[in-house]
Amino acid sequence: DIVMTQSPDSLTVSLGERATISCKSSQSILNNFNNKNYLAWYQQKSGQPPKLLISWASTRESGVPDRFSGSGSGTDFTLTISSLQAEDVAVYHCHQYFSSPITFGPGTKVDIK
Amino acid sequence: DVQLVESGGGLVQPGGSLRLSCAASGFTFGTYWMHWVRQVPGKGLVWVSRINTDGRTTEYADSVKGRFTISRDNAKNTLYLQMNSLTAGDTAIYYCTRDSSSTLLYWGQGTLVTVSS
Repeated sequence: DIVMTQSPDSLTVSLGERATISCKSSQSILNNFNNKNYLAWYQQKSGQPPKLLISWASTRESGVPDRFSGSGSGTDFTLTISSLQAEDVAVYHCHQYFSSPITFGPGTKVDIK
Repeated sequence: DVQLVESGGGLVQPGGSLRLSCAASGFTFGTYWMHWVRQVPGKGLVWVSRINTDGRTTEYADSVKGRFTISRDNAKNTLYLQMNSLTAGDTAIYYCTRDSSSTLLYWGQGTLVTVSS
């Protein structure tokens, strides 16, 4: 199974400041045939189900604010919130769908300083 | 709008059984793979099982293999998870989710399963 790790476990950021979350996979999740990374990011607010923010490592879903961006390739990925807003307080999960079983990172909690 | 509504959760004793249901609407249910994902409150997401469009192909996490059975009724637009031999380790919120090009775009609100004596 591919193991996903995230760092930090939690972070507190001032409103308007940048938040950066790292996600690493235990093996490459880059498909060399289509050059796509099978990595997604989800936002989960308290008491709610996860919401898909980004797929294919860097493609924002429709309606997701452009302050959210994803980057990385192979085994190392990053979710960046360029200017943290109050409504961004949540837990963020990374997810690999390169191979079965699909697996998730443990989550990173983002709070306002 | 796509809607996924889970039901069937509750309190069950260790060794007992439960059947979860997920009623789908707003899309052509029979053309999408479906998944169950669970989450212990305050913890991470854990994939449980998935099923293909016609129900003939199923996969399970090792932790539930042999105890859980995923199925679907495309005529009723409903996904199921039959859970047997439940243990405290199965206590979690169970989410029904739709596969969309391998990502999980749509999620239900979840149903809580508590295994306790």
